[in-house]
Amino acid sequence: AQRVTQPEKLLSVFKGAPVELKCNYSYSGSPELFWYVQYSRQRLQLLLRHISRESIKGFTADLNKGETSFHLKKPFAQEEDSAMYYCALMGAQKLVFGQGTRLTINP
Amino acid sequence: EPEVTQTPSHQVTQMGQEVILRCVPISNHLYFYWYRQILGQKVEFLVSFYNNEISEKSEIFDDQFSVERPDGSNFTLKIRSTKLEDSAMYFCASSVGGSFYEQYFGPGTRLTVT
Repeated sequence: AQRVTQPEKLLSVFKGAPVELKCNYSYSGSPELFWYVQYSRQRLQLLLRHISRESIKGFTADLNKGETSFHLKKPFAQEEDSAMYYCALMGAQKLVFGQGTRLTINP
Repeated sequence: EPEVTQTPSHQVTQMGQEVILRCVPISNHLYFYWYRQILGQKVEFLVSFYNNEISEKSEIFDDQFSVERPDGSNFTLKIRSTKLEDSAMYFCASSVGGSFYEQYFGPGTRLTVT
């Protein structure tokens, strides 16, 4: 079964502090993983995907197959990072999403 | 930059009525999707559509649901007889290719069934 788990519904950190949003997955094949972000009153948009190994807006995510994790990290949080973050797994032409984590950056 | 558009932004309907949610995918995209998000819950896959036919559907997508690409631009989701539990945000998405390509999402249609 394909499953994505984001254990934290809410995460609050201070500006300048490191951020880590957790994501664990369950998938029998070779996973294709994504992080999507939804800023206030905006649509879901792709933040990054593991296959591209890019750093977007200072965020990185490393796929750890041993721990079946794809945690999202940023060393220094900024106020504009406040948003809803969704981890997603691609399987058979569909995205399977986690519950989402609402990240709030306090000034 | 091209975007997926959806209409209406909010639809209120009575239980048992038919609704059609409309989407205009990005013009050179070939794969189309519908997802829904019930308030407070995760975004759930409903159906994917390619080459004028359904390529994948979830167990949520029962006989009450149908999709259509009636012309070269629109992609619609029809719910034949709405139930209270169909109240949700419905997102359309499109991608240029299949599984490994980025899906671009529309802003969503909030469906409220009373």
